[in-house]
Amino acid sequence: EVQLVESGGGLVQPGGSLRLSCATSGFAFKSHFMTWVRQAPGRGLESVAKIKPDGSETFYADSVRGRFTLSRDNAANSLLLHMNSLRAEDTAVYFCTREYWWRCDYWGQGVLVTVSS
Amino acid sequence: QSALSQPPSASESPGHSVTISCTGTTSDVGDSNYVSWYQQHPGKAPKLLIYDVSVRPSGVPDRFSGSKSGNTASLTVSGLQADDEADYFCSSYGGAGTSNLIFGGGTKLTVL
Repeated sequence: EVQLVESGGGLVQPGGSLRLSCATSGFAFKSHFMTWVRQAPGRGLESVAKIKPDGSETFYADSVRGRFTLSRDNAANSLLLHMNSLRAEDTAVYFCTREYWWRCDYWGQGVLVTVSS
Repeated sequence: QSALSQPPSASESPGHSVTISCTGTTSDVGDSNYVSWYQQHPGKAPKLLIYDVSVRPSGVPDRFSGSKSGNTASLTVSGLQADDEADYFCSSYGGAGTSNLIFGGGTKLTVL
């Protein structure tokens, strides 16, 4: 059974940093693109960061480029999202997803990030 | 790239059918067979319903179907049931030169 489990969310002040983790199991992690998708309260979905299977390349939404850094550890089947210079508009539930041929076929339960003073 | 356009809400009675639209441009939906649909119940993660415009993953009932015409993709839910009441989101390949998926704003489906 494919499982994606996020952790690391919480309350952070504007300008602060946070690190989100995604532990995975049940599939060949090293063979798949992985993507973080976020959902602001009462809003739609936004793909914020994606990483190639071998970790050689990452892709970011304009809204987070330069502030977020995505990495992966294929030996540990895990994903890491470093978020710096956080803003109020980064407040959202962040979902770890497996992306396969332009579809997110598996999703974690999500983790809430709240940026507020 | 801009988000895809969906109606904010839709409603229909149990047993009936409803169609939700997702409009993009010639660069994304119009130029791609990589259109997907997701169902999200309150407080839950989205679930993949349809991919590649009209393909259902294993376990998704055939009451859910997808199609596309030009720059607009559509999700049809037939034989509506109470549990179909949820938010529905579309997504698409964003077009040449883009790397991330683009999503629609979501449609809240109410089963009357």
